[in-house]
Amino acid sequence: SQTIHQWPATLVQPVGSPLSLECTVEGTSNPNLYWYRQAAGRGLQLLFYSVGIGQISSEVPQNLSASRPQDRQFILSSKKLLLSDSGFYLCAWSRDTGELFFGEGSRLTVL
Amino acid sequence: QQQVKQSPQSLIVQKGGISIINCAYENTAFDYFPWYQQFPGKGPALLIAIRPDVSEKKEGRFTISFNKSAKQFSLHIMDSQPGDSATYFCAASKETSGSRLTFGEGTQLTVNP
Repeated sequence: SQTIHQWPATLVQPVGSPLSLECTVEGTSNPNLYWYRQAAGRGLQLLFYSVGIGQISSEVPQNLSASRPQDRQFILSSKKLLLSDSGFYLCAWSRDTGELFFGEGSRLTVL
Repeated sequence: QQQVKQSPQSLIVQKGGISIINCAYENTAFDYFPWYQQFPGKGPALLIAIRPDVSEKKEGRFTISFNKSAKQFSLHIMDSQPGDSATYFCAASKETSGSRLTFGEGTQLTVNP
């Protein structure tokens, strides 16, 4: 069966510090990978998606970047965090179409 | 541009009652409409989904009603239970875009015992 792991689960970072959130998928090959952000009381905003190694598409211009160094690894990064980067970050995977499978999420607080 | 509008933002229902959440979309190219359920501190999980070739889909106590001409779809939870208390998201996508879903803003459902 397929599983998705996301870490760290909780992160408190000062403004201006770097960020690295990691996500790995097991039990499948060549998945589509996604990073979503969920602000408090808000919906899910697609940040990045990837259909293959090194292939990243950005949906929203922002202070964040994503990389896919391996087939089943997706990383969300920032060089300098802003207060507005606080939120609940969700990694997800899918096959070509249909259901999205989400990880447990990473809660980021920027102080 | 918000392409999927969801209402209400929050909903309180008594145990055994019917919960109804509504969504409206703008993009007529959307052809896949799922509902996701999210418990606090967890990632969302697919609850039920519909494609526009049918007007209704039922899975247990959960039903999606779809109105293509009005560009609206809704989730009905029959015999609501306290364990159904969660945040519900509607979403939409074009099949050609893979699973790049556009989500509504969510409805926080509370079912009182």
